[in-house]
Amino acid sequence: LAKTTQPISMDSYEGQEVNITCSHNNIATNDYITWYQQFPSQGPRFIIQGYKTKVTNEVASLFIPADRKSSTLSLPRVSLSDTAVYYCLVGDSRSYNTDKLIFGTGTRLQVFP
Amino acid sequence: GAGVSQTPSNKVTEKGKYVELRCDPISGHTALYWYRQSLGQGPEFLIYFQGTGAADDSGLPNDRFFAVRPEGSVSTLKIQRTERGDSAVYLCASSPLVGGAPGANVLTFGAGSRLTVL
Repeated sequence: LAKTTQPISMDSYEGQEVNITCSHNNIATNDYITWYQQFPSQGPRFIIQGYKTKVTNEVASLFIPADRKSSTLSLPRVSLSDTAVYYCLVGDSRSYNTDKLIFGTGTRLQVFP
Repeated sequence: GAGVSQTPSNKVTEKGKYVELRCDPISGHTALYWYRQSLGQGPEFLIYFQGTGAADDSGLPNDRFFAVRPEGSVSTLKIQRTERGDSAVYLCASSPLVGGAPGANVLTFGAGSRLTVL
């Protein structure tokens, strides 16, 4: 099963750019990379998804190097409301069920004023 | 509906009782997932439906746990003889994509059902 490794926690201040890196050394050729955000007492929410290079939407950017063994979620100019847990998920083409999605422990981001 | 709806939002029960948790997915979403989340942990995969059938139930912890989706829409997670260790938030998610590229499914989650077993 494709495994992901993220920092347990990160701190930042309002207005700063935050980069959270996820390692997925055994990612397979066809696997996608997806990031979710979770606030307390809510279910996770989709942020961004990518396969290679760079993806940008209105919320974040996702950087994926050529070897795809890691990915970096970039949050520009964070605010207090970005305090949440961020999860990196990688598909598993080696599994018989490619729709099965496994969450890790995530990165707890704390933004200070 | 506009989102994934889960009921009840909170359930307190006594050890040994039977519990049902309901999930109403987004209309038209083929895939439905159940996860369990304990405090400070990431969501733990339980079971995944494609339409009416359970495509993968490898995450169900034991035979006290069972889930159904008889008409391919609403799903019910059933827990028999509840134990204190079953206390957690049970999350449901749905997705329109089935069998695409690995990891390409984008899940929309409900707010969860918090189960407390006394």
